[in-house]
Parts: sequence; C-alpha cells; structure tokens
Amino acid sequence: QKEVEQNSGPLSVPEGAIASLNCTYSDRGSQSFFWYRQYSGKSPELIMSIYSNGDKEDGRFTAQLNKASQYVSLLIRDSQPSDSATYLCAVNGPGGTASKLTFGTGTRLQVTL
Amino acid sequence: KAGVTQTPRYLIKTRGQQVTLSCSPISGHRSVSWYQQTPGQGLQFLFEYFSETQRNKGNFPGRFSGRQFSNSRSEMNVSTLELGDSALYLCASSPRTGNNEKLFFGSGTQLSVL
Repeated sequence: QKEVEQNSGPLSVPEGAIASLNCTYSDRGSQSFFWYRQYSGKSPELIMSIYSNGDKEDGRFTAQLNKASQYVSLLIRDSQPSDSATYLCAVNGPGGTASKLTFGTGTRLQVTL
Repeated sequence: KAGVTQTPRYLIKTRGQQVTLSCSPISGHRSVSWYQQTPGQGLQFLFEYFSETQRNKGNFPGRFSGRQFSNSRSEMNVSTLELGDSALYLCASSPRTGNNEKLFFGSGTQLSVL
C-alpha cells in the first residue's frame, strides 16, 4: 500500500463545475497536509495547506481533512480551463519536518469548455 | 523577491559520470530540500539542509549527497550515474524547518543519463 494514494485520472469536469480531488494516506500520525498544483513542464506550486479536521477555504479552493478516515480532499469551485493541471497531495508525518513530504503521484484534472 | 533558482536547467550525462546541481533559495529562507521526480515514482524526498546541516534524508543510495553553504545555497551531487537517475530534480526552500512550513519549489534541473 502506497503511503499517499490518489486517483491518477484524468478527471474531466466542464467549465464552471466543481472538481473534487481525493487523497488517502496511511500514516495515522500525519500532521500536515498540502495540495500542490503542477502544470505540465513546470514545478509544483502550493495552493492549500490544512492541519486540523474540517474545511479550509481560500477563494475557489476548499481543502477538507478527516483524520479519522485518513483522507484529505480538494474542491475547486467554478472550475476554469486554467485549472487544468496535475494536483499533488502531500503529507508529512510525525517526527518529520515539512520539507520531508510524502507525495501522491497526482491527479490530472482536465477542465473542458 | 526572486524565487528559488536552480542551475543548470538541463543536463545530459553518460553512465558512470558524476553531476552537481545547484540551488539558490528565496532570500531569507534557510531550509533547502531536494526532491526527485519521475513519471513512475512521482516526487520523492532526497534530503533537507538547514543551517548547513543535513536534517533529514530519504531512501536513496549514498551516491546521492548534498551540502549547504553559509549563504543557504545548496548543491546536490550524484556520483556514478545510472540510467535510472534520469529525472527532474527539484529544490525547494522554506524560511525555517518545521511541520507547518510551506515549500517553494524551483523550476528544477532535468537530468538525462545516456
């Protein structure tokens, strides 16, 4: 079992719809959770971080964390073609610093016109 | 403020050679970490340096090494290159080291081993 699992996609959503990206992790002691966006040929860019159970909203993005179920999700409202990218879920565990992240392999999102 | 700068952008080497990659963090950032990204394995942690000391190390062979200088700039070295070392090597910086620090990635060095 991979430590951080994501559906590789592609996840295809029409413009203006809500995109829902999911991630599960195996280390129950994980403390910090991040979503990075990576455009093709570019480096990862942090878009959301979440540290406690519940929802965290930032503009069109909402991160959701459920430590009991060991999953974290990212909702993108009013999806735009510019949101088409690979979304990487990253987790750090107890004893590790934020720099020692375990990444999922990413979900490719395609927003169609 | 300038972002994380990595040089060179592209490298082509042959098996058995060694390579050195360079990373300049965002001004004021003292933590530098390195990741390897491949299509099959995704992003994998190599090591982190903070205040010139290696703080964490991933599960890579000893052929992969790094260091950090007093100005926080970092280099990583790969010796005796293998075909499987072909990857995008990403450097990331953060102001400090800690669980809630956010990483800022550079554009990476694309290494091809022939």
